[in-house]
Parts: sequence; structure tokens; C-alpha cells
Amino acid sequence: DAGVIQSPRHEVTEMGQEVTLRCKPISGHDYLFWYRQTMMRGLELLIYFNNNVPIDDSGMPEDRFSAKMPNASFSTLKIQPSEPRDSAVYFCASSYGQGGTGELFFGEGSRLTVL
Amino acid sequence: KNQVEQSPQSLIILEGKNCTLQCNYTVSPFSNLRWYKQDTGRGPVSLTIMTFSENTKSNGRYTATLDADTKQSSLHITASQLSDSASYICVVSARSWGKLQFGAGTQVVVTP
Repeated sequence: DAGVIQSPRHEVTEMGQEVTLRCKPISGHDYLFWYRQTMMRGLELLIYFNNNVPIDDSGMPEDRFSAKMPNASFSTLKIQPSEPRDSAVYFCASSYGQGGTGELFFGEGSRLTVL
Repeated sequence: KNQVEQSPQSLIILEGKNCTLQCNYTVSPFSNLRWYKQDTGRGPVSLTIMTFSENTKSNGRYTATLDADTKQSSLHITASQLSDSASYICVVSARSWGKLQFGAGTQVVVTP
């Protein structure tokens, strides 16, 4: 398996623009997670899905952020409009199994810079 | 207050030497504790996962220990190599995917 695949790897945009990050989880995994990593706050959970259904989006910073999972093999994280404070590395991860006990596989991340 | 505290924040070691990283947590209820290695510019990669009943687990030159009574864990790196230079992150799970608590990580630099 190719692992969790994220795109783009790097994104530079101007404040106010829409940003869409993409993720393909490992085939067969039923949980998908979006994390954000910054130097100040480390890794933070934004939202996670189980069988394509959003379970917990309490980590989404504000209404400018939205995430979808239209099918088991694809998810997007959208920021509209983007702001400089959104600059971070966004990771997608996937797993199989309930209760936080499964192995968690991360993608290589999407580094976002908002000017 | 972060429920997972790691120490030291960073350390520099000579190639071939051993080192030990510490993780203290207050997460409750406890399900499992994970150690991840994150190379610069890459995603975290799992090294070990330990449940409540396990007190040690090895993965090659990496050995993790867990004391669930004192809520402490350590990651020992034996005979360090240059490729061990990375950030090591302790993650504690409270039986829910939404309740994973991440430590801030320990940055390890191995020098020749």
C-alpha cells in the first residue's frame, strides 16, 4: 500500500484566498483524521471521520474551516478565506479500529503558507 | 495545561551513544501510550504502542517503558545513529480517537 497520500505538499497563497487540501487514506481504514501542526501548539486534532461520517469537529478553529469525506478513499480540508495565522503543516491520518486503539498512519503533510 | 509533558525539550548526543526521553501524563482513563518519530518535513511514524498491561516494548534499537501507576513512560535509544535525528512525540489515548493527547516532542540531534 502507498500509505496515506496528501496533496499538495506545499501551498503558498495570499490572505483571503481559498485553500483546499486533499487526502487519500489507506485502503480499508475506516477512520480518517485531520491534524494541524505548529511550533507553538504542536499537533492538534481538527476533525475526524468514521466510515465517511464526521464524528468530532470540535477542533475546527472557526467557520472558515470545513472538511468533507464524500467517499472512503477521499477527503478534503478547505479554508475559506485563508488568513496568515492559518500557516501550518496539515496532516491527514487514517486508522482501522475503534476506541483509539488502532495503529495511526500519517501522511507526509501539506505545508501551508498564507501571506 | 497539556496532559502530556515531555522532557527534555531537546538534546544533542554523539553517534553511538545511548539516550533516554521522558513522558509524563495525566490523561485518564488511560487506553494506550504511543511513541512516534517525526523526521524533519515528514509525517510522524509509529515506533511503539503500549497498553495498560504492558511495561516494555522494543522496536529495533528503540525500547519504550511504561509505568501506569506513576503515569510515566520513557523511550530509550541504543547506539544512536545519525538517522535517529528527529522529533520524538509521546501520545496518550483515553479510549477515544477524539481524545488522543500529544506531547510537544523532544528534538534529538545525533552528531558524528
